[in-house]
Amino acid sequence: QVQLVQSGAEVQKPGASVKVSCKGSGYTFNSYDIHWVRQAPGQGLEWMGVFDPGRGSTTYAQRFQGRVTMTRDTSTNTVYMEMNSLTSDDTAVYFCARVGASIGWFDPWGQGTLVTVSS
Amino acid sequence: QSVLTQPPSVSGAPGQRVTISCTGSRSNIGAGYDVHWYQQLPETAPKLLIYGNNNRPSGVPDRFSGSKSGASVSLAITGLQAEDEADYYCQSYDSSLSGYVFGTGTKVTVL
Repeated sequence: QVQLVQSGAEVQKPGASVKVSCKGSGYTFNSYDIHWVRQAPGQGLEWMGVFDPGRGSTTYAQRFQGRVTMTRDTSTNTVYMEMNSLTSDDTAVYFCARVGASIGWFDPWGQGTLVTVSS
Repeated sequence: QSVLTQPPSVSGAPGQRVTISCTGSRSNIGAGYDVHWYQQLPETAPKLLIYGNNNRPSGVPDRFSGSKSGASVSLAITGLQAEDEADYYCQSYDSSLSGYVFGTGTKVTVL
């Protein structure tokens, strides 16, 4: 079945960087965009951006431009999301999710990766 | 920075019907972009509930239904069950932001 599996929880200090992975299986990796969404504790969902594995292109939400980089490793069907200059406000669960149509819905989602930023 | 507005909470007794509204603007729902709904159980990833305004993925009970009329969108749960207690989010696309947007989220409580 179609599945997205993310890397494990991370604890980082303020000012550091974090890189979260999202490995896809059960489908043609290059045919579907991978989006990243985060959820701060007790808060709602926030869209961060999208990576198109087929073209290797990215679109980032304005508030994350310059601080987030999305990349891929086609040999392992994995997309990465790296965020730098972390602050405590970046403490959140980070989800990856697949979108099929050019403007569509998120399905499935990865299980989520908790990133804690603390000194 | 949620662009779509939902009521913070709704509640109902088992068997009752509840509805959740999702209000946007001319650059998202009002522009004709589709709306999708997700259910998020505690400590889990969101799960697709409704796509393309009113379509249920395989495996989603027909107790869940979505509707869209102009700029007005809603999710209805009929025959409310204890297992429906969760957070629900709407989602669409916003042309002015050139990105995807989510609703503020609604917590459904089964009394």
